[in-house]
Amino acid sequence: SQTIHQWPATLVQPVGSPLSLECTVEGTSNPNLYWYRQAAGRGLQLLFYSVGIGQISSEVPQNLSASRPQDRQFILSSKKLLLSDSGFYLCAWSTGRNQPQHFGDGTRLSIL
Amino acid sequence: AQSVAQPEDQVNVAEGNPLTVKCTYSVSGNPYLFWYVQYPNRGLQFLLKYITGDNLVKGSYGFEAEFNKSQTSFHLKKPSALVSDSALYFCAVREYAGANNLFFGTGTRLTVIP
Repeated sequence: SQTIHQWPATLVQPVGSPLSLECTVEGTSNPNLYWYRQAAGRGLQLLFYSVGIGQISSEVPQNLSASRPQDRQFILSSKKLLLSDSGFYLCAWSTGRNQPQHFGDGTRLSIL
Repeated sequence: AQSVAQPEDQVNVAEGNPLTVKCTYSVSGNPYLFWYVQYPNRGLQFLLKYITGDNLVKGSYGFEAEFNKSQTSFHLKKPSALVSDSALYFCAVREYAGANNLFFGTGTRLTVIP
């Protein structure tokens, strides 16, 4: 069966520090991969999605970037974090556009 | 533009009573609709989807949803609520024809009162 792993579960970082959040999927090949941010336990904002290695689509201009170095690995990065980058970051995968997305358990990022 | 609306931020229901969580949508083509549930400090869990076919869709944990094209609605329902159903529920729609990503509503917090 397919599983998705996100780490770390929680992270506290100072303003201006770099960021790297990792997401990996097991049990499927060539998944679509997604990064979302959820603020205050409510709506999800799509940040990036990828349909293949090295293919990244950005939905919102921001301080973050994403990379997909391997088929089942999706990384969210920042060179210098801002206070506004705080939130709950969720990674998800799907097998296609008509299929449901399956989510990891998220990383709660706090910027001090 | 594609959109999905969840008009109720909060729904309270007594344990054992039927529950409904409302969702309306707006898409330019055929809608692909999804319901998800989120428990505290967890990711979203897929409950059910409507792609085509029967208007009544059955999903996980006894939930079902009714697709109504004329009212552009996709309400989530359960005949008998459990305390453990208390969570945050999200409706989602495929953003546009051929899109890979989904557009999520703002969520409805369901509280089932013992």
